[in-house]
Amino acid sequence: DADVTQTPRNRITKTGKRIMLECSQTKGHDRMYWYRQDPGLGLRLIYYSFDVKDINKGEISDGYSVSRQAQAKFSLSLESAIPNQTALYFCATSDTGFPDTQYFGPGTRLTVL
Amino acid sequence: AQSVTQPDIHITVSEGASLELRCNYSYGATPYLFWYVQSPGQGLQLLLKYFSGDTLVQGIKGFEAEFKRSQSSFNLRKPSVHWSDAAEYFCAVGARNTGNQFYFGTGTSLTVIP
Repeated sequence: DADVTQTPRNRITKTGKRIMLECSQTKGHDRMYWYRQDPGLGLRLIYYSFDVKDINKGEISDGYSVSRQAQAKFSLSLESAIPNQTALYFCATSDTGFPDTQYFGPGTRLTVL
Repeated sequence: AQSVTQPDIHITVSEGASLELRCNYSYGATPYLFWYVQSPGQGLQLLLKYFSGDTLVQGIKGFEAEFKRSQSSFNLRKPSVHWSDAAEYFCAVGARNTGNQFYFGTGTSLTVIP
């Protein structure tokens, strides 16, 4: 089984809808991250969490929120989706101690119509 | 501010030819540097990383990279490319002084022709 899983893998939604993307990991890592990938822009950090009680905004957090339900689970929410949030979203984990290798999930392709 | 530049958006090489992907970074302190590969439909996988020590680092799949502080570069190389190397390659820098974040370049897409 994959160490970092994301659900759903693909989602099409409409403008204004609330969307939640979920990430689970079995690596036992404390640190979890959410990125979005856009063509020509690479990966940009949305939010990151160093433990259940420590959540931090990344480079592009506006329009997003997160919840760290447990060490193994980190969810990303779009409260009111808009078309420019159409992107590929990746969850990643890393062990305690910066810097460390990040392990990425397979991604969620989100389309907002 | 931290930044990572990958000047080449797309590179095409013949199978068996050598490869060099460029990466330049801007960071005020000692950088922690990474190269990741993204195969179609997949997440990113670490190829190699540099934290300190020997400036030539070896990675998986026959890749290597050289850290050159004077040029602020961390170029990725492979002596002989295989068709399976076709993928998107990302350079990244870890920045301790801004909340331990990682900054990624925009990526280089590699096409391998027979």
